[in-house]
Amino acid sequence: AQSVTQLGSHVSVSEGALVLLRCNYSSSVPPYLFWYVQYPNQGLQLLLKYTTGATLVKGINGFEAEFKKSETSFHLTKPSAHMSDAAEYFCAVRNTGGFKTIFGAGTRLFVKA
Amino acid sequence: EAQVTQNPRYLITVTGKKLTVTCSQNMNHEYMSWYRQDPGLGLRQIYYSMNVEVTDKGDVPEGYKVSRKEKRNFPLILESPSPNQTSLYFCASSFDRENQPQHFGDGTRLSIL
Repeated sequence: AQSVTQLGSHVSVSEGALVLLRCNYSSSVPPYLFWYVQYPNQGLQLLLKYTTGATLVKGINGFEAEFKKSETSFHLTKPSAHMSDAAEYFCAVRNTGGFKTIFGAGTRLFVKA
Repeated sequence: EAQVTQNPRYLITVTGKKLTVTCSQNMNHEYMSWYRQDPGLGLRQIYYSMNVEVTDKGDVPEGYKVSRKEKRNFPLILESPSPNQTSLYFCASSFDRENQPQHFGDGTRLSIL
């Protein structure tokens, strides 16, 4: 069965520091992969997605993620954290030929001044 | 403006009193879905719909019903709500492709006493 694991329910970084949020998935075939961000009292917004092609994907707000098939990972990074990045981040997978979406448990990012 | 609209945003009710949460999208999306979000569990899919009159169970369908009589609307029905259905609920929609990201509503916070 598909699953998504996000390592670390909470991550704290200083403003200007590297952001690294980890996501590993289990799937029998390479899935479609998504990162979403949720700000307080709002729904989820798409940050970026991997479908096919280039394994390094760039998203909005300076975020990027790299699909590594051998490691079944899709970690999210940003070179320099900004206070406005404080939010909860969700990794999600969707298999080819399927309509179910599996979300990770989420990682809450705190950014310290 | 492209959006997914959920109503109500907040509801406090009592065990056993039937309720409906409405969801409407204006993007002509074929695919719609309901999720519940609980702390530490991320989002879990309740039901989804691939098109009008086509619905299927997600991972946690017990205690919920849905219908899709029109393309734009996908209401979530709790026939006999119980306290374990207290949660934050999200409706989402997308075009009918597995590689398409979902657009989310702002959420409905339900409290069942």
